Formats: sequence, C-alpha cells, structure tokens
Amino acid sequence: QVQLQQSGPGLLKPSQTLSLTCAISGDSVSSNSAAWNWIRQSPSRGLEWLGRTYYRSKWYNDYAVSVKSRITIKPDTSRNQFSLQLNSVTPEDTAVYYCVKGFDDGVYYYFDDNWGQGTLVTVSS
Amino acid sequence: QSVLTQPPSVSGARGQRVTISCTGSSSNIGANHDVHWYQQLPGTVPKLLIYGYSNRPSGVPDRFSGSKSGTSASLAITGLQAEDEADYYCQSYDRRLSGWVFGGGTKLTVL
Repeated sequence: QVQLQQSGPGLLKPSQTLSLTCAISGDSVSSNSAAWNWIRQSPSRGLEWLGRTYYRSKWYNDYAVSVKSRITIKPDTSRNQFSLQLNSVTPEDTAVYYCVKGFDDGVYYYFDDNWGQGTLVTVSS
Repeated sequence: QSVLTQPPSVSGARGQRVTISCTGSSSNIGANHDVHWYQQLPGTVPKLLIYGYSNRPSGVPDRFSGSKSGTSASLAITGLQAEDEADYYCQSYDRRLSGWVFGGGTKLTVL
C-alpha cells in the first residue's frame, strides 16, 4: 500500500520560496512504472498540474508552462522522497498542494489514488 | 479559464441519469490524448473514476461510464445515488502546453 506523506511550511510572504517534501512508503521514487507529481488546487485556478519527476534509466522532469521558470522538482533516492521548490511566490500561488503518484504502464498515464494529505500554502504579506 | 471546459454544475434526481461534458480542442482530446475522470467528495482528494476514456478501475461501479466524440468527452452516471454528490473533473494531456490539464470541475447535486 502506497502512502505519501507531505511536509513543509504553510505560510509564506511574497517573493519567498515554497519548499515541500513528499515521503514515499510502499513504492520507490525510482520506479519504472510511476512518475511523481505535484498538483495544486485553489478555488480560482481549480486543479493545476505543476510538474513531475520520473526515472527511466535516467531522471527526467516535466514542468507546466505556467510555472516553468520558477519550479524545481527533485528526487531524493536516499530518503525515497521527492521535493517541490517554487520560487518568487505571489498571492496567486495560494493553494492546497498535493504530491501525487502517476501510474504509467506505457499505454496509460493517469493520477492514481495515491495522493498526499495536502498542504495549504498561503502567500500573504 | 481551463483548457478543458466543463459545466459548473449539473443535477439529477435519485435513480436518474446525468451526463457531464468535457470540451477540449485539437491539441488535447482531439489529438487522441486519453481522457481520465476523477471524483472528489467533500473534504477528500480526487479519486480516479475512469481512465482512457471508458475504463473503470476495480471497485468503481458500472453506473459510471465514459465516452469520447471528436474534441469532447463525457461522463455518464446512471442510477444516481446520494453518495454520488461530489465534484467531477476531466483530465487530459495538451500537446500545445506540453503538460497535463484538468477541466474546471462540475458539481453534481443529487435531488
């Protein structure tokens, strides 16, 4: 049974850096049939995919165009976890942030039922 | 403004059938990228309901079905039950944005 446990601060000031970590149990961040995503949800923007990291003989990253200049997602194989860093946050980045496992069997890629508990991140001066 | 367009709300009486539409474009659904549907009950995380347009994960009742036509997809729910009251989201890949996109969500009310 896969479990994702998020950690990180929930209150930031504008221009600061958002940093969250997602610890994986029951699976491996280096799995060849998974990708590890960050998705956020807010009333104004709905569900928004931010990016992912995955391993297929080497590490890859994909990022949403909307945050590409500000985002970094990194795997940590020694701790079996992955992290999100979002620079120069503004109040528009206020949302609930989720780490999510993406299932990939080479035919389908979807977000399966393994989500972190969510972290409400508020950006306010 | 979401890349995939869903009606903000739909409603139906218990036992009835409702459909939720998801309208995309030639850069996502029309490009034959898979559409997946998620159900989000109040206070919970989204749960996968349909993958690859019309496939149900194990445990999802066959009252839920999905389909695709052109640049749109639809989720149908038959035999509406009170516990179906939730937000429903469609999701696909957009080649223009080179990333995964969601619809704005549809709130289902069971009367």
